[in-house]
Amino acid sequence: DTGVSQDPRHKITKRGQNVTFRCDPISEHNRLYWYRQTLGQGPEFLTYFQNEAQLEKSRLLSDRFSAERPKGSFSTLEIQRTEQGDSAMYLCASSLEQVHSEAFFGQGTRLTVV
Amino acid sequence: AQKITQTQPGMFVQEKEAVTLDCTYDTSDPSYGLFWYKQPSSGEMIFLIYQGSYDQQNATEGRYSLNFQKARKSANLVISASQLGDSAMYFCAMREPYSSASKIIFGSGTRLSIRP
Repeated sequence: DTGVSQDPRHKITKRGQNVTFRCDPISEHNRLYWYRQTLGQGPEFLTYFQNEAQLEKSRLLSDRFSAERPKGSFSTLEIQRTEQGDSAMYLCASSLEQVHSEAFFGQGTRLTVV
Repeated sequence: AQKITQTQPGMFVQEKEAVTLDCTYDTSDPSYGLFWYKQPSSGEMIFLIYQGSYDQQNATEGRYSLNFQKARKSANLVISASQLGDSAMYFCAMREPYSSASKIIFGSGTRLSIRP
């Protein structure tokens, strides 16, 4: 297994456009997490899945954000009507569900909204 | 609600010295896990060390050790014999496995700079 992969690595979009990011977790991991990170800050939780079920979505997340994990494998994060404040690094991570299981992170997708 | 606090935005340490990075947490759940991650300037998140709330001994991994003080709700990372390659952002994180919100949350991080 090559680890968690995210696509694309970089995305530049115009304000108001929709964007979609993909995350492929480590195959045996049933937990998948999405985080947003801005420069000099810690990863901010967005949402997470156990298999195909979305267990929690951050209250900070507006309705413009949606995530899916249709078959319990890869996941997509869509941002509709992007705003300049959405510019950030979007990180995906996966783990097993045991308490001691660390999350393995992808390289992230850097979004720039112009 | 879960909360992680890292009060040191930045630290400078001389090479080969030991350094302690502070982390306090807030939880009402008796069962939880604590993690430390390193994020170099290249951006990848690297897992360093784990401590479970019921672990009797402080966790150690090579030059990394965790000073776990459960009553104080602190989980400080100690790096011994620091190296130039230790310069990075360091994040403390926590998971509460039995709550309905069993996500992993992160602190705001400490930027560690090692001086030659």
